Amino acid sequence: EAQVTQNPRYLITVTGKKLTVTCSQNMNHEYMSWYRQDPGLGLRQIYYSMNVEVTDKGDVPEGYKVSRKEKRNFPLILESPSPNQTSLYFCASRAGLAGLYEQYFGPGTRLTVT
Amino acid sequence: SQQGEEDPQALSIQEGENATMNCSYKTSINNLQWYRQNSGRGLVHLILIRSNEREKHSGRLRVTLDTSKKSSSLLITASRAADTASYFCATVRMDSSYKLIFGSGTRLLVRP
Repeated sequence: EAQVTQNPRYLITVTGKKLTVTCSQNMNHEYMSWYRQDPGLGLRQIYYSMNVEVTDKGDVPEGYKVSRKEKRNFPLILESPSPNQTSLYFCASRAGLAGLYEQYFGPGTRLTVT
Repeated sequence: SQQGEEDPQALSIQEGENATMNCSYKTSINNLQWYRQNSGRGLVHLILIRSNEREKHSGRLRVTLDTSKKSSSLLITASRAADTASYFCATVRMDSSYKLIFGSGTRLLVRP
């Protein structure tokens, strides 16, 4: 089954404790991205990757890191989480250009930073 | 950055009625997409309409695009309780074919 998986689904952590949210897709998609969703603000893009070893900042990259060492995986790293990073996070992937391909989303990771 | 704005923010209808949601955007687009999100879940792609198309159908969904007014509408006909979800439009700008920009969504409640 074609899917994007994320782990963990729920995470409660404390300020400053480094964490990684994993994302994996089994569709051989070139493009992957991370979003955060906050009430009233919709989905905002954090980082995206157009292919292996090619990553770029989205609209709200501060406080986050990503890597793309393999085509299928695109982990999101919070080196020193802060309470304002409490949010619902989504990983997404698609085959290529946004004008040609639909985007597939993971189930989401609900992160709480205390 | 450009953002699609959905209207209304929330909509409550009776099962069997039609639901219409609107999306407006600011700059020229390559295409516009509609997504659905059940509460707390990932978004699911519904339909993509290109800038040179005016109308598109998929099952009970009908999407229109008016590039002169920079607006789109999503019509769900004969709604069902299972259609209860948030609906988002997402635009792809002409000058950025890699980036999808999402609106803030319309929350639809279909009462049984």
